[in-house]
Amino acid sequence: QKEVEQNSGPLSVPEGAIASLNCTYSDRGSQSFFWYRQYSGKSPELIMSIYSNGDKEDGRFTAQLNKASQYVSLLIRDSQPSDSATYLCAVSPRDGNKLVFGAGTILRVKS
Amino acid sequence: GAVVSQHPSWVICKSGTSVKIECRSLDFQATTMFWYRQFPKQSLMLMATSNEGSKATYEQGVEKDKFLINHASLTLSTLTVTSAHPEDSSFYICSARLGQGAITRYGYTFGSGTRLTVV
Repeated sequence: QKEVEQNSGPLSVPEGAIASLNCTYSDRGSQSFFWYRQYSGKSPELIMSIYSNGDKEDGRFTAQLNKASQYVSLLIRDSQPSDSATYLCAVSPRDGNKLVFGAGTILRVKS
Repeated sequence: GAVVSQHPSWVICKSGTSVKIECRSLDFQATTMFWYRQFPKQSLMLMATSNEGSKATYEQGVEKDKFLINHASLTLSTLTVTSAHPEDSSFYICSARLGQGAITRYGYTFGSGTRLTVV
């Protein structure tokens, strides 16, 4: 079992819709969770972090964390073509020494 | 915010030569930096963890004699690809965190990446 799993996609959504990206992790002691966006040919950029169970909203983005289910998700409301990218889920495991990244989900927003 | 500057952004070199990539933390001290490699349409692959003043820790399968990492100061880490070959062509990205424990708050800050092409 991979430490951090994501559906590779591509996930295609129409412009204006809600995009839902999911991630599961194996280390129950994980403390911190991050979502990065990576455009083709560019390095990842941090868009959301979440540490506690529940929802965290920032503009059009909402991160959701459920530690009991070892599940973290990212919702993108009013999706725009500019949101088309690969979204990487990253988890800081129990020892906190390094981030573990998922393989990423490709999101395509069609206008 | 924390900024990591990576140079060069792209480089083309001849097979058999060496290439050095620099990663600098501009407005903070990075005690730990991480080096990743990413092949087209693949995910990030951690190559090594670089700690200031000590030897780098390499991931399994990464040749430490081929990918030399130096972290001589709190603001600079370098990756040297020695005797590069076409199969080393990839996107190399560095990242940094703010000391011990800060990873739980800020995650990583990434450099802009270096596109290496070996011909």
